[in-house]
Amino acid sequence: QLQLQESGSGLVKPSQTLSLTCAVSGGSVSSGGYSWSWIRQPPGKGLEWIGYIYHSGSTYYNPSLKSRVTISIDRSENQFSLKLSSVTAADTAVYYCARVAYSIVVVPGEDYYYYYMDVWGKGTTVTVSS
Amino acid sequence: DIQMTQSPPSLSAFVGDRVTITCRASQSISTYLNWYQQTAGKAPKLLIYAASSLRSGVPSRFSGSGSGTDFTLTISSLQPEDFATYYCQQSYRTPVTFGQGTKLEIK
Repeated sequence: QLQLQESGSGLVKPSQTLSLTCAVSGGSVSSGGYSWSWIRQPPGKGLEWIGYIYHSGSTYYNPSLKSRVTISIDRSENQFSLKLSSVTAADTAVYYCARVAYSIVVVPGEDYYYYYMDVWGKGTTVTVSS
Repeated sequence: DIQMTQSPPSLSAFVGDRVTITCRASQSISTYLNWYQQTAGKAPKLLIYAASSLRSGVPSRFSGSGSGTDFTLTISSLQPEDFATYYCQQSYRTPVTFGQGTKLEIK
């Protein structure tokens, strides 16, 4: 059974870089067809998507964070990572990693891909404070 | 960005009640809509994908419907473990966006 586990710095100073890793067990980050995502949730608030990395290494980031975000894959360690630079108190949140799976609906002449986050890590709390 | 608006923001109900949560997209997203359940202090769990497909292992009292801009999540008979916050999420276009959540509380 696939499991994800976030780890990294729980306390980051303003203007520094937040670094988190998501270790994948029971499966491989190189599995074709899956992508890997980071999502965050500020205290008492809703969910915010940070970005995806596909098994191929292609990345898609939330434009609101794009200038500060890097998501990467380490196939040798079977994990993927998040770096968020120039953090402020507004980046204080629980950070989740998740697997993105899809289902295909085949209609003559076209395939439709439905993506969803089906396996989540437990989350890790990051506080930005001096 | 596609804005997702859920209603109501919170809801009180009894065990055994039938409950419906609504999610509206700011533009048509076909059926690219997922529903998640989050209990306090836990990660979200996928319930429904592609608007109406029940994830394997999710109880059949959960159902989803809708297309275009208007979607619903229905719980046919509330159980104690269903009291949680529910989020819709569109996967039609990046950036992926979530609704603000609907908190379901015991009456």
